[in-house]
Amino acid sequence: AQKITQTQPGMFVQEKEAVTLDCTYDTSDQSYGLFWYKQPSSGEMIFLIYQGSYDEQNATEGRYSLNFQKARKSANLVISASQLGDSAMYFCAMRGIIQGAQKLVFGQGTRLTINP
Amino acid sequence: EAQVTQNPRYLITVTGKKLTVTCSQNMNHEYMSWYRQDPGLGLRQIYYSMNVEVTDKGDVPEGYKVSRKEKRNFPLILESPSPNQTSLYFCASSGGPGRAGYTFGSGTRLTVV
Repeated sequence: AQKITQTQPGMFVQEKEAVTLDCTYDTSDQSYGLFWYKQPSSGEMIFLIYQGSYDEQNATEGRYSLNFQKARKSANLVISASQLGDSAMYFCAMRGIIQGAQKLVFGQGTRLTINP
Repeated sequence: EAQVTQNPRYLITVTGKKLTVTCSQNMNHEYMSWYRQDPGLGLRQIYYSMNVEVTDKGDVPEGYKVSRKEKRNFPLILESPSPNQTSLYFCASSGGPGRAGYTFGSGTRLTVV
């Protein structure tokens, strides 16, 4: 079975600072994908970034990067130069590629608040 | 525009009154899922479908039904809603495993009184 753990229920960061949101996972699958989603107060789920288990480089998408440490089974999201609009709920999720492709398994989420 | 459309966005109903939440995607995706989101629990899968006429239970299927008669549509049916089904519901679709993630609908906030 797959499991995602996000240990930070809430985080408060000053605007323009970098922030790291923690995510650890557990799976017996060899091939899997890791995702981060953002959920603003309006409620929609916005895809941010993807990391494949066999990708050799850490994924980056604009101000978002994923610090992937396979041996530690961690996939932390790093947001550089945070903005007020980054205030939202953030979810880490994983999906099997060969097995378990039929669903995303989510963590409990981290509520990020950016202070001006 | 590629999207997942679910309706209604908000719904207040009474215990026991059957309801259907509709979901439609225009991306020709094989995979479709329903999730419910509750505070502190993240998103949990209710049912999923891997193609037309192929559906199966997720982690929390009790009290729900689904059908997949057409590739684009995947409605969620609550035959006899109860207050513990008050939640935020998401429909999502995906073209396949790997780098393809899931595209989510805008969500349906359901309140059962």
